[in-house]
Amino acid sequence: ILNVEQSPQSLHVQEGDSTNFTCSFPSSNFYALHWYRWETAKSPEALFVMTLNGDEKKKGRISATLNTKEGYSYLYIKGSQPEDSATYLCALMRGDDKIIFGKGTRLHILP
Amino acid sequence: AAGVIQSPRHLIKEKRETATLKCYPIPRHDTVYWYQQGPGQDPQFLISFYEKMQSDKGSIPDRFSAQQFSDYHSELNMSSLELGDSALYFCASSLAGNYGYTFGSGTRLTVV
Repeated sequence: ILNVEQSPQSLHVQEGDSTNFTCSFPSSNFYALHWYRWETAKSPEALFVMTLNGDEKKKGRISATLNTKEGYSYLYIKGSQPEDSATYLCALMRGDDKIIFGKGTRLHILP
Repeated sequence: AAGVIQSPRHLIKEKRETATLKCYPIPRHDTVYWYQQGPGQDPQFLISFYEKMQSDKGSIPDRFSAQQFSDYHSELNMSSLELGDSALYFCASSLAGNYGYTFGSGTRLTVV
């Protein structure tokens, strides 16, 4: 069974602290990994598309790394702000064009 | 730039009624995906289409059906609506072989 796992499921972080969470996926038939920022009842916002083993991407205070051989990606947020509160979703795109979503990590920033 | 258009934005239906949701993908995108997000729940993949053929199926109830038309727009038909069908329904489109996909703003369905 093909599964994209995200951990932790939920995370509470003090404002100003840095944090990271994980997306794990089967490494066979890998094509790309997407990270999305998703607020409830809104459309997901694309953060990163990662394709190559060892990829590191950065957007402001948010960055991500990719290890396709061991099947994981980390998302890092530096100096968390209240507006970072959201669900962070990763999605695996396979070589056969199927897209598998993880269940997301819900991030809560505490004032 | 053109985005993914979903209509209607909001829909209120009674139990046992039928609803049709529409999704118009970004021009030249050939793949459409449908998702359901219930209140306080994770988004759930329902179904996808590539080149007017169903390409993948997720947790879509038998009461729901969908299709993609020759102009690549897609419709999600929902019959015998239940209270639990109240949710936000997103569609997304992509171009096969390309990276990433774009979500529409969603249709909020309320079943009363």
